[in-house]
Amino acid sequence: SAVISQKPSRDICQRGTSLTIQCQVDSQVTMMFWYRQQPGQSLTLIATANQGSEATYESGFVIDKFPISRPNLTFSTLTVSNMSPEDSSIYLCSVDLSGGDYGYTFGSGTRLTVV
Amino acid sequence: GEDVEQSLFLSVREGDSSVINCTYTDSSSTYLYWYKQEPGAGLQLLTYIFSNMDMKQDQRLTVLLNKKDKHLSLRIADTQTGDSAIYFCAERDTGRRALTFGSGTRLQVQP
Repeated sequence: SAVISQKPSRDICQRGTSLTIQCQVDSQVTMMFWYRQQPGQSLTLIATANQGSEATYESGFVIDKFPISRPNLTFSTLTVSNMSPEDSSIYLCSVDLSGGDYGYTFGSGTRLTVV
Repeated sequence: GEDVEQSLFLSVREGDSSVINCTYTDSSSTYLYWYKQEPGAGLQLLTYIFSNMDMKQDQRLTVLLNKKDKHLSLRIADTQTGDSAIYFCAERDTGRRALTFGSGTRLQVQP
């Protein structure tokens, strides 16, 4: 299984600012996934990031609000732009190394609070 | 789109068995997973089952899959206080290759 290093682990940000979350994987992966977990809720997929192409966003998420970079096969960033208190959530990155056989590995998450 | 549903809460006594249920709608699901999330922690993969299997056992965990009814369950034998957590079922979307998660079941184990 992969080891994912995600940072920052938590942050408190002012509304109107932006935060970039980094996700580093110890193996090369084609697809990386970004999820949001709002307080007390389940995980919702934000977007899928492929190296060398634009990220694919799910309904309700747009590139201007959540720009994603994927410069190589081991790294990705998610930016939460122009933040409001409604963006307070845990953001997680995830990878699948095995085509589903062994499950998806998740980063430890970034707990974001917007004040 | 896909939908995955779970009951929100389950309370059991220590030593009893816990059964957490999940239903899903995507008939093309290939893999179904159970994840555990403890307070303030990330997601831990507990087990998974391939869609052509009916049952999978892994130590105290037993997964049952009824593909006809699109029903998945996780049985935890001899439940311990350390099993208290939120349990998410998830199914793998063969198209997107991403996971769709259920709402999570909060398991409370009473001493």
